[in-house]
Amino acid sequence: NAGVTQTPKFRILKIGQSMTLQCAQDMNHNYMYWYRQDPGMGLKLIYYSVGAGITDKGEVPNGYNVSRSTTEDFPLRLELAAPSQTSVYFCASRMAGGSSGYGYTFGSGTRLTVV
Amino acid sequence: AQKVTQAQTEISVVEKEDVTLDCVYETRDTTYYLFWYKQPPSGELVFLIRRNSFDEQNEISGRYSWNFQKSTSSFNFTITASQVVDSAVYFCALPRSNDYKLSFGAGTTVTVRA
Repeated sequence: NAGVTQTPKFRILKIGQSMTLQCAQDMNHNYMYWYRQDPGMGLKLIYYSVGAGITDKGEVPNGYNVSRSTTEDFPLRLELAAPSQTSVYFCASRMAGGSSGYGYTFGSGTRLTVV
Repeated sequence: AQKVTQAQTEISVVEKEDVTLDCVYETRDTTYYLFWYKQPPSGELVFLIRRNSFDEQNEISGRYSWNFQKSTSSFNFTITASQVVDSAVYFCALPRSNDYKLSFGAGTTVTVRA
């Protein structure tokens, strides 16, 4: 199994450009999450989804959009990129149900720089 | 609201010293789990341990041990006889029971010098 796959791994954007960060999982997990990690900081939740067609905002949603048309894919869209969006982005997934102790699978991250 | 606090920003030790990482949490859940993750310089997140609120018995796994105290809302993590490969950022994390959103602490950077 591939687990959680994020593409691209690295990207440099110019201010005002747009892009989509891709996240795909092959574990049939219902729950998917997007986090950002700024230098020297912990991970902050941007958006999450509890299943296909259902998404909700996390702590830091401004400047981002998501969609969840299939169970497997959870792309994160950046519109009008700003330097403040320079960060490392992690996608994660987990199965539905079970206790909160069930494990999460993280992607390897996308390092985005906005110049 | 969920909150995880890691007050230590950086810890530097010499190889073979023990390292203890502090984590204090807040949650409204009556039962919950806590996690520790490691982020080496390569950047990926590596799951280390999880602990549930039912059991406050401290455990040891290899060079890792943890001290969970529900009364003080603390979940401390110790690396015994540290090695250079332990150099990384360590995160404490707390999932919420209804939507499983993970709240992370700010992380503690551990540097182990040879």
